[in-house]
Amino acid sequence: AQTVTQSQPEMSVQEAETVTLSCTYDTSESDYYLFWYKQPPSRQMILVIRQEAYKQQNATENRFSVNFQKAAKSFSLKISDSQLGDAAMYFCALSGNTPLVFGKGTRLSVIA
Amino acid sequence: DGGITQSPKYLFRKEGQNVTLSCEQNLNHDAMYWYRQDPGQGLRLIYYSQIVNDFQKGDIAEGYSVSREKKESFPLTVTSAQKNPTAFYLCASSTYGQGNQPQHFGDGTRLSIL
Repeated sequence: AQTVTQSQPEMSVQEAETVTLSCTYDTSESDYYLFWYKQPPSRQMILVIRQEAYKQQNATENRFSVNFQKAAKSFSLKISDSQLGDAAMYFCALSGNTPLVFGKGTRLSVIA
Repeated sequence: DGGITQSPKYLFRKEGQNVTLSCEQNLNHDAMYWYRQDPGQGLRLIYYSQIVNDFQKGDIAEGYSVSREKKESFPLTVTSAQKNPTAFYLCASSTYGQGNQPQHFGDGTRLSIL
């Protein structure tokens, strides 16, 4: 079975600062994909970033980047230059031959 | 614009009643999914379908049923056997070969018990 663990239920960051959200996972599959989704108060699920497990290079999307440590089964999300609009729930998710498995989420607050 | 439409946005169920949540997509996606979201629980998979007229149970399928008669539609019925149906329900879709493709989500339906 695939599992995803997010150990930080809540985090906060000052506006313009950098924050890192943690995620660890477990899977027996060799070919899999990792995702970070953002869920703002509107409850809409928005894809933030995606990482293919076979790629060693960490994915980057503007202010969002990941630190993918395959051996450690770790997939953290770094948000640089945090903005008020980044305040949301963030979910880490894993997919292989089965549908997405989600972590329980981290609630990020951004302090002005 | 392509997307996923869930309706209604809010739904109330009486004891012993079945209710159906609608999910329609015009993204031409093969696969569709239903998730339940409870506070502090993240998203849990109820059912998914990779092709018309076929679907599989997820982790929490008991008390729910689905159908997939058309590629565009994947309705979810919450039956009276589901004793704790109050939750936020999200529908999603993706292209076939789901592992490497992100899922696109609807805006959700909030179901409450009267």
